[in-house]
Amino acid sequence: GNSVTQMEGPVTLSEEAFLTINCTYTATGYPSLFWYVQYPGEGLQLLLKATKADDKGSNKGFEATYRKETTSFHLEKGSVQVSDSAVYFCALSDPSSGSARQLTFGSGTQLTVLP
Amino acid sequence: DAGVIQSPRHEVTEMGQEVTLRCKPISGHDYLFWYRQTMMRGLELLIYFNNNVPIDDSGMPEDRFSAKMPNASFSTLKIQPSEPRDSAVYFCASRLLSGNTIYFGEGSWLTVV
Repeated sequence: GNSVTQMEGPVTLSEEAFLTINCTYTATGYPSLFWYVQYPGEGLQLLLKATKADDKGSNKGFEATYRKETTSFHLEKGSVQVSDSAVYFCALSDPSSGSARQLTFGSGTQLTVLP
Repeated sequence: DAGVIQSPRHEVTEMGQEVTLRCKPISGHDYLFWYRQTMMRGLELLIYFNNNVPIDDSGMPEDRFSAKMPNASFSTLKIQPSEPRDSAVYFCASRLLSGNTIYFGEGSWLTVV
């Protein structure tokens, strides 16, 4: 079956620090990969995505590269801000699971950025 | 365009009461999903619909939970009777058949006391 393993949190960083949140996956087919972000008290927002190997998704200074050889999709940002404090979810959508391509989520990583 | 719209945003109810959560998917989307988020279990898919038809309800925890989609623009998730362990955030989400991105609503935050 499909699964997503995320770096355990919580992660606490100072403003302008470099961020990496690790994500690895197991899938039976060729999945699309996503990072969603959940700000306090809010719903899930798509942060970035990649649909095939070696694709790089990017948004708001965040980046993640689809690495098929290591089955990974690590999230990075060069300089975090206090406003980046949120929970980050890695997810995959496997077309071999059917046309719905529903998402399988990791457990989420809580990020707190201190001023 | 409006996103996925859920109501109520917050609900506090007593054990044994019926709870109905509502969702309006993005117009034109073919798939609708209901997810539940808890601290213990993370994000779990409860059920999804394709063109208003329930396809997979294997994630529905028990018979107290039911979901309907009477038309393309409306779905409900009902819990009857509710129990304290049902306290969670319930997300509705939707997607186009031709797309690969699922869009989420802001969630319904349910507390059963």
